[in-house]
Amino acid sequence: EAGVAQSPRYKIIEKRQSVAFWCNPISGHATLYWYQQILGQGPKLLIQFQNNGVVDDSQLPKDRFSAERLKGVDSTLKIQPAKLEDSAVYLCASSLEYYNEQFFGPGTRLTVL
Amino acid sequence: DAKTTQPPSMDCAEGRAANLPCNHSTISGNEYVYWYRQIHSQGPQYIIHGLKNNETNEMASLIITEDRKSSTLILPHATLRDTAVYYCIVRVTFTGGGNKLTFGTGTQLKVEL
Repeated sequence: EAGVAQSPRYKIIEKRQSVAFWCNPISGHATLYWYQQILGQGPKLLIQFQNNGVVDDSQLPKDRFSAERLKGVDSTLKIQPAKLEDSAVYLCASSLEYYNEQFFGPGTRLTVL
Repeated sequence: DAKTTQPPSMDCAEGRAANLPCNHSTISGNEYVYWYRQIHSQGPQYIIHGLKNNETNEMASLIITEDRKSSTLILPHATLRDTAVYYCIVRVTFTGGGNKLTFGTGTQLKVEL
């Protein structure tokens, strides 16, 4: 069974630039999550989708972050404009349903200079 | 959200059992305890979860105290590949299908020869 795919794996940008990350969940998984992991900390949930609807985006900085899952399959997370403090690993996870265990992708390491 | 407390680091000799403790004294009756681990530069990996009873799978055993205020993850025969950060999480499920995993800083387990 293929795991959660993410791209790119690494991205370096300058502050105020825009960046987008892509996630393809495990086939058939209805629930998709985006997490932010700052160095030395545990992952922090940014947004949860159930199919193509948002269930929880309470910790998403909506002035600069946006995410979509238009067809209920893959998803993109965008940052515009980026700040230095956005430097982190962005992890995508999926689960069969919201009450099942989550499977994580390898993450995208973002460095903002 | 129920808070968990874990020791920041532990060492274990290869081949011996690794016992990782976790306190979750404010856990509610319907909240599950989940364990994930994160090997360096990878996404978190699901290990096991439980509600009241002890659980065992191919990776580990989970012992939950009768009052549910603490639990222990047991890796029966630790290997060098088990070196990772281990997260104990109380999963919050809320109306509308929300499923929130709040990661702390976890326990860094180092398995040595």
